[in-house]
Amino acid sequence: AQSVTQPDIHITVSEGASLELRCNYSYGATPYLFWYVQSPGQGLQLLLKYFSGDTLVQGIKGFEAEFKRSQSSFNLRKPSVHWSDAAEYFCAAGLSFGAGTTVTVRA
Amino acid sequence: DVKVTQSSRYLVKRTGEKVFLECVQDMDHENMFWYRQDPGLGLRLIYFSYDVKMKEKGDIPEGYSVSREKKERFSLILESASTSQTSMYLCASSSSQGLTSTDTQYFGPGTRLTVL
Repeated sequence: AQSVTQPDIHITVSEGASLELRCNYSYGATPYLFWYVQSPGQGLQLLLKYFSGDTLVQGIKGFEAEFKRSQSSFNLRKPSVHWSDAAEYFCAAGLSFGAGTTVTVRA
Repeated sequence: DVKVTQSSRYLVKRTGEKVFLECVQDMDHENMFWYRQDPGLGLRLIYFSYDVKMKEKGDIPEGYSVSREKKERFSLILESASTSQTSMYLCASSSSQGLTSTDTQYFGPGTRLTVL
């Protein structure tokens, strides 16, 4: 069965610093990969997705993610975090979601 | 913009009650999904539907059923609510030609259900 692991439950980062959220998947074939963000009290919103092609994908709000087949990873990055990036982030492979990573941004 | 709406943001029910959670999408999407979200567990798929009157079990269907009589509406039913079903319930929809997990899902705001 497919599964998604987000090793970091909670990350605290200073405003303006870079952010990287880790995601590993276990899947029979190359899955379709997604990153979603959930702000407090809101539903999930798609940040970016990978189906095929260029392994570095750009998303909304300045986020990007890199697919690495050899590591079964799809890590999310942002070069400079804004206070509004404080939220919970979910990695998904197909219909399987990780447990989420909560990001706190300190001034 | 795709809009997915859920009938209630907050719901409080008693053990043993029958509970209906309603979800409506306005983008003519074929696929609709019900998840529950619990801290530390992320989202877990309860049921999904890829067409009217069609349904498929997800990872945790026990204690739940669903109904899809119209394309835009997908209902989650708790036949006899239990305290273990206290959770956040998220509905989503996606467009595709057939059943596929490839397309972006659009989520509703969620219903926080408390069973006493």
